Amino acid sequence: EIVLTQSPGTLSLSPGERATLSCRASQSISNSYVGWYQQKPGQAPRLLIYGASNRATGIPDRFSVSGSGTDFTLTISRLEPEDFAVYYCHQFDSSLETFGQGTKVEIK
Amino acid sequence: QVQLQESGPGLVEPSETLSLTCNVSGGSISSYYWSWIRQPPGKGLEWIGYIHYSGSTKYNPALKSRLTLSVDTPKNQFSLHLSSVTAADTAVYYCAKKVGFGEPLEYWGRGTLVTVSS
Repeated sequence: EIVLTQSPGTLSLSPGERATLSCRASQSISNSYVGWYQQKPGQAPRLLIYGASNRATGIPDRFSVSGSGTDFTLTISRLEPEDFAVYYCHQFDSSLETFGQGTKVEIK
Repeated sequence: QVQLQESGPGLVEPSETLSLTCNVSGGSISSYYWSWIRQPPGKGLEWIGYIHYSGSTKYNPALKSRLTLSVDTPKNQFSLHLSSVTAADTAVYYCAKKVGFGEPLEYWGRGTLVTVSS
């Protein structure tokens, strides 16, 4: 099983600031098989971005990803009020898919 | 745009079987992979497994001995059956669509809370 560890657990930032979320895998995976989801309270997760930099429909370009091997990063260039939420990384490289434990981005 | 809707009992007694159905609308269930994910209250996401419209499956090894996924193509729906449930199976259960193997979970249902309790 590939374990995904996200850091930090909570990120306290102000609107307009840059958010950098980390996802570390217990073994090397292709960045083609990593996705990021946003979840707001009481809602289902929503696919944001996956692979090298494939944004889901309607996702603005302030969301970007980088990384390879075991270290992957989701960057939100300038936080908008609607971006405060929990973010999960997800690997679907192996037949056993796994999620990270999540990073909460909260208003400072 | 495809929409997914989970349905099933909100309360299941310990040791019984949890059964949920995901109805797919706005598109055919054929040609895609259909997943289940769960989230215990206040916790993170756990991948349960997926089924291809052809019937082939992949299960989370931690649940495999208790889990059965099935698909009903004429009804455009797929189902989850989890036997011998305990309180640890209490969670919001989501169904989701994958375009293909090696693809992310593109569309999600709203989720349904299942509580295991007597």
